[in-house]
Amino acid sequence: QVQLQQWGAGLLKPSETLSLTCAVYSGSFSGYYWSWIRQPPGKGLEWIGEINHSGSTNYNPSLKSRVTISIDTSKNQFSLKLSSVSAADTAVYYCVRYGGLPVWYFDLWGRGTLVTVSS
Amino acid sequence: DIVMTQTPLSLSVTPGQPASISCKSSQSLLQSDGETYLFWYLQKPGQPPQPLIYKVSKQFSGVPDRFSGSGSGTDFTLKISRVEAEDVGVYYCMQSVQLPYTFGQGTKLEIK
Repeated sequence: QVQLQQWGAGLLKPSETLSLTCAVYSGSFSGYYWSWIRQPPGKGLEWIGEINHSGSTNYNPSLKSRVTISIDTSKNQFSLKLSSVSAADTAVYYCVRYGGLPVWYFDLWGRGTLVTVSS
Repeated sequence: DIVMTQTPLSLSVTPGQPASISCKSSQSLLQSDGETYLFWYLQKPGQPPQPLIYKVSKQFSGVPDRFSGSGSGTDFTLKISRVEAEDVGVYYCMQSVQLPYTFGQGTKLEIK
C-alpha cells in the first residue's frame, strides 16, 4: 500500500525558509504529479504547487516567487521550500499525490505537518 | 484564478434528514474534452480530505450512495440524501480545469 511520509521543521521565525520533504513508500514515483497543499488553522485549502518525476513544476502564482519544489527520484522523495516566511504561512502542509483512476485527482495525502511561524 | 464560492458555510442537520451544499465557480469548469472538472472532498476532523465526487456527479469507489452531485458550467450542488453521524466534517468543492487548482472555502456539517 502506497504511503506518503512527510517531515520537516515545525517552528520557524519570520524571514526563515520553510523546508519539508515527503517520501513515497511502496509505490511508483513516475506517472504522477506530486503536490503540496496547505491549510491555515481553521481555514480552507490552498494548492501550493506540483512536480512530476521529470522535474517539471507548476506553482501557484500567489506563492511562486517564494516557492521551490524539487524531486529526488533516487530516493522517491520530493521537497518543498518556501522562503521569507511570515505568520501568514502558518499552516498544516500536506504532501499529496495527483493522479489515479478514473480521473486525475488528489488521491493520496500525507498526514500533514503543522508549521508555525512565530518570533 | 478561478474562485470557488460555497454556501452555506455551515450546516446543522438532524440525522436522517437531507443536506445540500452549493458551489459556484467564477468561470466555467467545462474542459475542451467535454468534461467538467469539479470535485467534492470531505475532510473529517483531524484527517486530510478524502474524495467523494468527481466530474460533477460521479462517485469515487466506496462512497455511499447517499452522496450525489449535480450541476453544470459554474453552478454545482452536493446533496446528502440522509445525513448520518459519520458525515460530519468540512466539505470542499475543487476545480482542476485550470491551474492553480482552487478550492471553495469549505462547508462545515454538524449533527443536531
